[in-house]
Amino acid sequence: EAQVTQNPRYLITVTGKKLTVTCSQNMNHEYMSWYRQDPGLGLRQIYYSMNVEVTDKGDVPEGYKVSRKEKRNFPLILESPSPNQTSLYFCASSSPLRGTEQFFGPGTRLTVL
Amino acid sequence: AQSVAQPEDQVNVAEGNPLTVKCTYSVSGNPYLFWYVQYPNRGLQFLLKYITGDNLVKGSYGFEAEFNKSQTSFHLKKPSALVSDSALYFCAVMFPSGSARQLTFGSGTQLTVLP
Repeated sequence: EAQVTQNPRYLITVTGKKLTVTCSQNMNHEYMSWYRQDPGLGLRQIYYSMNVEVTDKGDVPEGYKVSRKEKRNFPLILESPSPNQTSLYFCASSSPLRGTEQFFGPGTRLTVL
Repeated sequence: AQSVAQPEDQVNVAEGNPLTVKCTYSVSGNPYLFWYVQYPNRGLQFLLKYITGDNLVKGSYGFEAEFNKSQTSFHLKKPSALVSDSALYFCAVMFPSGSARQLTFGSGTQLTVLP
């Protein structure tokens, strides 16, 4: 089954404790992206990657890091989480063809105390 | 800068009635437009998209959307709503040029279909 998986699905942590949210896709997609969803704001892009070792900032990159060492994986790293990073996070992937739809993971609900 | 507006936070409609979820956009050039649906505790699912051609596009679950360039709108419609259509709907626009595949999302519209 073609899918995007994220782990963990739920995470409660404390300020300053480094964490990583993993994302993996099995569709051989070149493009991957991370979004955060906040009430009333829709989804906002954090980082994206056009291919292995190619990453770039989205609209809200502050406080986040990413890496793309393999085509299928695109982890999101919070080096020092803060309460304002409490949110619902989605990973997505798509082919590089312009105009193709993105496939989304199930989401990771993060709470930073 | 491109932007997307969904003017209604909440839309309520009776089962069997037609539904419309509104979306307007602001972007230079010819945009690519998308609708996604989010059910509770799930990720976003693609419904339909407009790239070029016929202004009326049909998508999953009986939904359709009409691209109106003069009004810069892309409203989502369904002739007869089902209770199972109740969900959060997002409109999104993509840059028509350049290498990025960035989607800019609207703030979402919660659709409730009443039995």
